[in-house]
Amino acid sequence: EVQLVQSGAEVKKPGDSLKISCEAFGYTFANYWIAWVRQMPGKGLEWMGVIYPGDSAARYSPSFQGQVTISADKSTSTAHLQWSSLKASDTAIYYCARHRTTITSRPDYFFGMDVWGQGTTLTVSS
Amino acid sequence: QSVLTQPPSVSAAPGQKVTISCSGSSSNIGNNYVSWYQQVPGTAPKLLISENKKRPSGIPDRFSGSKSGTSATLGITGLLPGDEADYYCGTWDNSLSAGVFGGGTKLTVL
Repeated sequence: EVQLVQSGAEVKKPGDSLKISCEAFGYTFANYWIAWVRQMPGKGLEWMGVIYPGDSAARYSPSFQGQVTISADKSTSTAHLQWSSLKASDTAIYYCARHRTTITSRPDYFFGMDVWGQGTTLTVSS
Repeated sequence: QSVLTQPPSVSAAPGQKVTISCSGSSSNIGNNYVSWYQQVPGTAPKLLISENKKRPSGIPDRFSGSKSGTSATLGITGLLPGDEADYYCGTWDNSLSAGVFGGGTKLTVL
């Protein structure tokens, strides 16, 4: 079965660093883009960025550029989202999803996110 | 403020039909595929429609998608209580070089 399994809920303090994970099962991880999506409490979905595990090429939304780092490890079929210094406003649910494209090397040829992780809840509070 | 504009809410009675609109521009919907997602509260989003109008395996044909110019529409017929959820449109924005979502529409089945 094709699935993405995310790491568990986190409670952190402002200023802490954090790395959350998204492990892929049932398909060739290196061949498909993985996106990260934020959902703040009671709010809608926000596309944060995407990575191609095959060569670790990454693109970020301007809103998130410089705020987070997306990485991928082909050896463990795992994508990561990390922060160097958390803020209270980072409190949200974070989803990873398989970002499908009609041309493998082009994230802009996006046609849908067909597999989603279960979400990782992050709470940042002093 | 989302790049793509959706109505905040729609409602209809069981068995009826509802449409949800998603309005954008030439930098996003006008030149890229649109996808639609259903999110039942407390769960992860699920892909309903890809490539403007294609239904993934397992999605009933009560759900349909269309696109015209810089707008897209999700249609749901034969409404069921289980269709109550938030619905989001998504696409790529060439100006931002990033994916974008609509603000979401809450569907209430009266």
